[in-house]
Amino acid sequence: DQQVKQNSPSLSVQEGRISILNCDYTNSMFDYFLWYKKYPAEGPTFLISISSIKDKNEDGRFTVFLNKSAKHLSLHIVPSQPGDSAVYFCAASAQDSGYALNFGKGTSLLVTP
Amino acid sequence: DTGVSQDPRHKITKRGQNVTFRCDPISEHNRLYWYRQTLGQGPEFLTYFQNEAQLEKSRLLSDRFSAERPKGSFSTLEIQRTEQGDSAMYLCASSLIAGELFFGSGTQLSVL
Repeated sequence: DQQVKQNSPSLSVQEGRISILNCDYTNSMFDYFLWYKKYPAEGPTFLISISSIKDKNEDGRFTVFLNKSAKHLSLHIVPSQPGDSAVYFCAASAQDSGYALNFGKGTSLLVTP
Repeated sequence: DTGVSQDPRHKITKRGQNVTFRCDPISEHNRLYWYRQTLGQGPEFLTYFQNEAQLEKSRLLSDRFSAERPKGSFSTLEIQRTEQGDSAMYLCASSLIAGELFFGSGTQLSVL
């Protein structure tokens, strides 16, 4: 059962515009959420995270929003750059599972010049 | 570079053979995780160690799979009697604080 869902397999955005990547989850025990970025033949790289006690976390061009009532989070990248082109994975964890991460299937972002 | 190191990067084996992968975590990290990723999927959790204790195993980890972390340092993942369905990228990650995992580059396994 897929507890973390990324329903958009791909997204194409022009350089300089905003990229919005979405993620939904089903397990109400999740209390920590992360976004990872992955290039081919490499492991995922941590990008940004948010605890369930917050609804927004910002780091430079990256902002993550959490809507607990809707069990939804999103990653905003502003402005998007061609180097942002990669696969983005949403992940969620719960304290009672040792914070093992549950990943979505990923969204492939292409930022075009 | 003191990141998570995995060896080998690639492994090609014949069905029925045994394979072993090694992971060296970031030195001060006490938590170590193994994940598996297949094409078009996100990484799937396999197992988790805190120091040398294996605290959680996924249903994906059949009895052909075994993981160890002697002395709470490096870890090995062994797959016995490999099957074609075992072909995947095997990822190791470590963490010091709960939640934020640092991943290695993975071992790409191909079972022929």
